Amino acid sequence: DTGVSQDPRHKITKRGQNVTFRCDPISEHNRLYWYRQTLGQGPEFLTYFQNEAQLEKSRLLSDRFSAERPKGSFSTLEIQRTEQGDSAMYLCASSLEVGEAFFGQGTRLTVV
Amino acid sequence: AQTVTQSQPEMSVQEAETVTLSCTYDTSESDYYLFWYKQPPSRQMILVIRQEAYKQQNATENRFSVNFQKAAKSFSLKISDSQLGDAAMYFCAPLGQNFVFGPGTRLSVLP
Repeated sequence: DTGVSQDPRHKITKRGQNVTFRCDPISEHNRLYWYRQTLGQGPEFLTYFQNEAQLEKSRLLSDRFSAERPKGSFSTLEIQRTEQGDSAMYLCASSLEVGEAFFGQGTRLTVV
Repeated sequence: AQTVTQSQPEMSVQEAETVTLSCTYDTSESDYYLFWYKQPPSRQMILVIRQEAYKQQNATENRFSVNFQKAAKSFSLKISDSQLGDAAMYFCAPLGQNFVFGPGTRLSVLP
């Protein structure tokens, strides 16, 4: 499978715990995006990387959220001290510098 | 910053009929692409069609076509001969320096 893969697919965590999600993009893609999506809404842009450089972060991304893309390959998104409002689907996508984004299946986070 | 408006939260169409989904956007960039994505209930986003902003000719992909009006910053999607499998959320997304999605239109296809 050469598509975008995300792990885990589902995560249930207790409020206050830290969680980390992983995204493996399509290998030749140098752009990687993270989005958050709640039910019935469009994806909200969180951040994106060009290779290993994080070029933009949304104001939605509080200081509890951090993303990395070491070596410009896979990326991780960490949420510290989770809150119930963090419950959502977290989507990762990758693209060539100019081109359509290919999406993974997402990680569904439930904070209880 | 980019903003994207999809003014129809929900639409329905009879099977085999034609439906048009609207999208307007605001961007300061001069060179960009526009995309329509489909998200079925399984929730994985699938690309439907793309349009290069520098091209005047509207893109067509089988039953899907766009009406791109660059000056008006309008990018509508027409689905012809609608099928039950077309039922999904549809998102408009102009690509510039980032990738901002519209709020989506939920399309129902009635048998």
